[in-house]
Amino acid sequence: SQQGEEDPQALSIQEGENATMNCSYKTSINNLQWYRQNSGRGLVHLILIRSNEREKHSGRLRVTLDTSKKSSSLLITASRAADTASYFCATDVNGNTPLVFGKGTRLSVIA
Amino acid sequence: DVKVTQSSRYLVKRTGEKVFLECVQDMDHENMFWYRQDPGLGLRLIYFSYDVKMKEKGDIPEGYSVSREKKERFSLILESASTNQTSMYLCASSLGSGGANVLTFGAGSRLTVL
Repeated sequence: SQQGEEDPQALSIQEGENATMNCSYKTSINNLQWYRQNSGRGLVHLILIRSNEREKHSGRLRVTLDTSKKSSSLLITASRAADTASYFCATDVNGNTPLVFGKGTRLSVIA
Repeated sequence: DVKVTQSSRYLVKRTGEKVFLECVQDMDHENMFWYRQDPGLGLRLIYFSYDVKMKEKGDIPEGYSVSREKKERFSLILESASTNQTSMYLCASSLGSGGANVLTFGAGSRLTVL
């Protein structure tokens, strides 16, 4: 069952620009998480935002959550070539069931 | 450095073979998961386990089974591999027991079935 849907599917930007990815979901959630995947590797957890939070920062990452619109966005500021990867949102419905992942946004940062 | 280790990064098997994908975590996590990842389909949950000797079906369990005899090890078994099981397989674990449901993933096992 697909809960999260990322948008856009692919994004290409120049180094130094900001990258914004969006995630929409269907049901109420406990929290929403963002993961990163380098080509051919496993996913790495980036950031978690709880349903009662609206914004969260971690280094160059900024995540927002709008539960009324059932959407989240991930902003990567001052992007670097090393940020090239796929980014996935994952929703945690109640803390006791497995996360459900979206299909991901593929980000390419061109040096 | 805590880890989820998948025994094989690349495997090539023939149709009908029995395939074992092994996953070991060293974080004393209670929960373990197997996902498969295919282009355009994202990650899909195959099986998961919240305790030793416990298993639950995910979204696509057909053609797979799992084994969790010890807390740290979660094995995915393809009883009779088929070409449509060619995929990237990702194992993950999480703390459990009310901890944040954050996953730590292995590096993945890319399986090709000929």
